[in-house]
Amino acid sequence: SQTIHQWPATLVQPVGSPLSLECTVEGTSNPNLYWYRQAAGRGLQLLFYSVGIGQISSEVPQNLSASRPQDRQFILSSKKLLLSDSGFYLCALAGVGTGELFFGEGSRLTVL
Amino acid sequence: DAKTTQPPSMDCAEGRAANLPCNHSTISGNEYVYWYRQIHSQGPQYIIHGLKNNETNEMASLIITEDRKSSTLILPHATLRDTAVYYCIVRAYFGNEKLTFGTGTRLTIIP
Repeated sequence: SQTIHQWPATLVQPVGSPLSLECTVEGTSNPNLYWYRQAAGRGLQLLFYSVGIGQISSEVPQNLSASRPQDRQFILSSKKLLLSDSGFYLCALAGVGTGELFFGEGSRLTVL
Repeated sequence: DAKTTQPPSMDCAEGRAANLPCNHSTISGNEYVYWYRQIHSQGPQYIIHGLKNNETNEMASLIITEDRKSSTLILPHATLRDTAVYYCIVRAYFGNEKLTFGTGTRLTIIP
């Protein structure tokens, strides 16, 4: 079965500090991977999606970036965090042949 | 932009059927309708999906109109644990496209 691991689960960072959130998947090959952000009380905002190694599509102009160095690894980064980067970050995969989206447990980021 | 529109909030009495509507008037022929729900501070959970026929599983039923431009998720006997935000999305079964969620419907089950 397909599983998604995200870490860290919780993170508190000062403004201007760097960020790295990692997502790894198991039980599937060549999945489409997604990073979503959910601000407090808001819906899911698509940030990045990737259909393969090194292939990243950005949906929202921002100070965040994403990379996919391996088939089953998706990383969300920032060089300098802003207060507005606070939120709940979710990694998801769309398994080819299933049509279903699987979500990780999320990483909650608080920027102070 | 999300391809679906949903009411922002709904209330339902415990034990009654909760009917959550979704409009997807621009749905393509190869796109399925998927429903997810998100309980506070957790990742979204898959509920059900369908193409054109009505579907039922242990969690819910999905009713899709004949023109496929709208659908309704039915929770037959709502419990307090069904309080969550419910998202309706459309996607192709083998799609490589980006997947955008709307704002969903916040369903509150009232004791």
